[in-house]
Amino acid sequence: EVQVVESGGGLVQRGGSLRLSCAASGFTFSSYWMHWVRQAPGKGLVWVSRINTDGSITNYADSVKGRFTVSRDNAKKTVYLQMNSLRDEDTAVYSCAREYCSNTSCKLGYNWFDPWGQGTLVVVSS
Amino acid sequence: DIQMTQSPSSLSTSVGDRVTITCRASQSITNYLNWYQQKPGKAPNLLIYAASSLQTGVPSRFRGSGSGTDFTLTISSLQPEDFATYYCQQTYTTPWTFGQGTKVEVK
Repeated sequence: EVQVVESGGGLVQRGGSLRLSCAASGFTFSSYWMHWVRQAPGKGLVWVSRINTDGSITNYADSVKGRFTVSRDNAKKTVYLQMNSLRDEDTAVYSCAREYCSNTSCKLGYNWFDPWGQGTLVVVSS
Repeated sequence: DIQMTQSPSSLSTSVGDRVTITCRASQSITNYLNWYQQKPGKAPNLLIYAASSLQTGVPSRFRGSGSGTDFTLTISSLQPEDFATYYCQQTYTTPWTFGQGTKVEVK
């Protein structure tokens, strides 16, 4: 079964740090870009970060740039999100997702997220 | 960043009704537009990619249309399992931004 499973969330003080992990299985992990998306309680989906297949390219949302770092270990089939200087507004469920395209859609550059994980909850509190 | 604006934010409807959700981009994204369905406590599920291509396994009552800046998701006859929140997502350029979501509720 193709799946990703997040872990590492929890309660952290404002200004603190946390490292999230996302373990992949059922597919050739090293062939896919991976993304992090977050969803604050009762709110919508917000893209956070992405990393390319070998970890040499990373991108971040402006709201987390300079505070969050995405990385991956292809041998462990795991992607990480190191979160520093956490703020109240970082409270959310953090999900990882594989960037995917089908045989036909890849040729035209159409991509989407599949699968997504169930997410791990991060609560930043003073 | 490209802003994606969905409307309405929520709607109350009944089984069998036709439902239309719109998504507007702040600039042209040609047809690099996905639609997802999310149920409470679950991961989003892809319905439509490339604005109008139905993902394998998704019922044909779901239809996507549009190009440029204006897009529509239509559910031709709402079923009980369709009560959920729907999100559009542009993949024309990074960051891949989402609409704020449309919650489809029971009337």
